Amino acid sequence: NAGVMQNPRHLVRRRGQEARLRCSPMKGHSHVYWYRQLPEEGLKFMVYLQKENIIDESGMPKERFSAEFPKEGPSILRIQQVVRGDSAAYFCASSPPGGLGYEQYFGPGTRLTVT
Amino acid sequence: AQSVTQLDSHVSVSEGTPVLLRCNYSSSYSPSLFWYVQHPNKGLQLLLKYTSAATLVKGINGFEAEFKKSETSFHLTKPSAHMSDAAEYFCVVTKGSGGSNYKLTFGKGTLLTVNP
Repeated sequence: NAGVMQNPRHLVRRRGQEARLRCSPMKGHSHVYWYRQLPEEGLKFMVYLQKENIIDESGMPKERFSAEFPKEGPSILRIQQVVRGDSAAYFCASSPPGGLGYEQYFGPGTRLTVT
Repeated sequence: AQSVTQLDSHVSVSEGTPVLLRCNYSSSYSPSLFWYVQHPNKGLQLLLKYTSAATLVKGINGFEAEFKKSETSFHLTKPSAHMSDAAEYFCVVTKGSGGSNYKLTFGKGTLLTVNP
């Protein structure tokens, strides 16, 4: 059973460009979570999605950031007009339906560098 | 509200000696606590979890942790370090049950170095 997949693993964007980060959950998992890790910080919760629904986006910055988890295909975290402060590692996690919310399986992360 | 403090940002041990990674937590609720490990360029792997059952929790690769409510601590230990244990370790807290227990709160991490 493949684990949580994230791509790309490394992404370089110039200031003002858009960044799209993809996350494919484990097979059978319908809950996806995004976390951000700033340099020398722990991971911080951003958003919790189920298929076609945003359940909790309380950790998302109010502007430029959006997330979706369509019926088909991976979850996407989109950052518009990136700034240097967006440089971080972005981790995706997934959990099965009906499972305990805290039992999350993490992907390897996408490291975003904004130049 | 909840928070985690990992008391050491970097711990260095010799191979074959004990490992102690310290974690203190704060939570308004009965917490669930976890330790995750992150090897370079890999995803986070769950080492062990405490979810209100036995206070001494055994995990993978010989690691264990003890939940001490009176000290609000959840320190991670291993009797004998192996070179392959070199990695970053994260202590994590969340609500034990009820809504929003999916919101994991991470410490800043402890980098474990194992010297030959």
